[in-house]
Amino acid sequence: EPEVTQTPSHQVTQMGQEVILRCVPISNHLYFYWYRQILGQKVEFLVSFYNNEISEKSEIFDDQFSVERPDGSNFTLKIRSTKLEDSAMYFCASSEEKGLYGYTFGSGTRLTVV
Amino acid sequence: ILNVEQSPQSLHVQEGDSTNFTCSFPSSNFYALHWYRWETAKSPEALFVMTLNGDEKKKGRISATLNTKEGYSYLYIKGSQPEDSATYLCALARPASGSRLTFGEGTQLTVNP
Repeated sequence: EPEVTQTPSHQVTQMGQEVILRCVPISNHLYFYWYRQILGQKVEFLVSFYNNEISEKSEIFDDQFSVERPDGSNFTLKIRSTKLEDSAMYFCASSEEKGLYGYTFGSGTRLTVV
Repeated sequence: ILNVEQSPQSLHVQEGDSTNFTCSFPSSNFYALHWYRWETAKSPEALFVMTLNGDEKKKGRISATLNTKEGYSYLYIKGSQPEDSATYLCALARPASGSRLTFGEGTQLTVNP
């Protein structure tokens, strides 16, 4: 069964550093997403991406964050100048339609900012 | 603020028991309701996407119902097995918000052998 692959599975970074989280969505999917879950809280939406541009972003997704699909297969989330409160599990997901058949999630990248 | 609530927060049952959990959501501007199963250290896995009031979907021993007028969905597991132990998440999609999903906190199910 096709999978969404995320790397790395764990990342520890110093406060103020930049991190790039990588995802390889399912190849025939058209919609791509980033979600995150801070420990003990709900899974929350960050951004959706369609047709090589952001289609929607949440209030969390400010200038500190950016997404890119650099080569037609990878989908990356860049977090500039990381803060302690960015520590969370970050999930990438993809879907064929706007989620009408459900999203396929990756297994996540646990980001720890120290 | 859009609030999706799930209950109970956690549930411990014996193998063979049937169980059910609830997802509540605002009934206005409904688009779709998703259910996911999330095992520790794995990816959340899509179980159902429900769009029509009165919808009932089934996958093996797991089924779900949807009431969009009153804003709730039930997930049922018949004859629970230890491998059903996971967190079950529901998530709401609204037409105005496109593809954004708003998740509940999840129900953590533990099935004891």
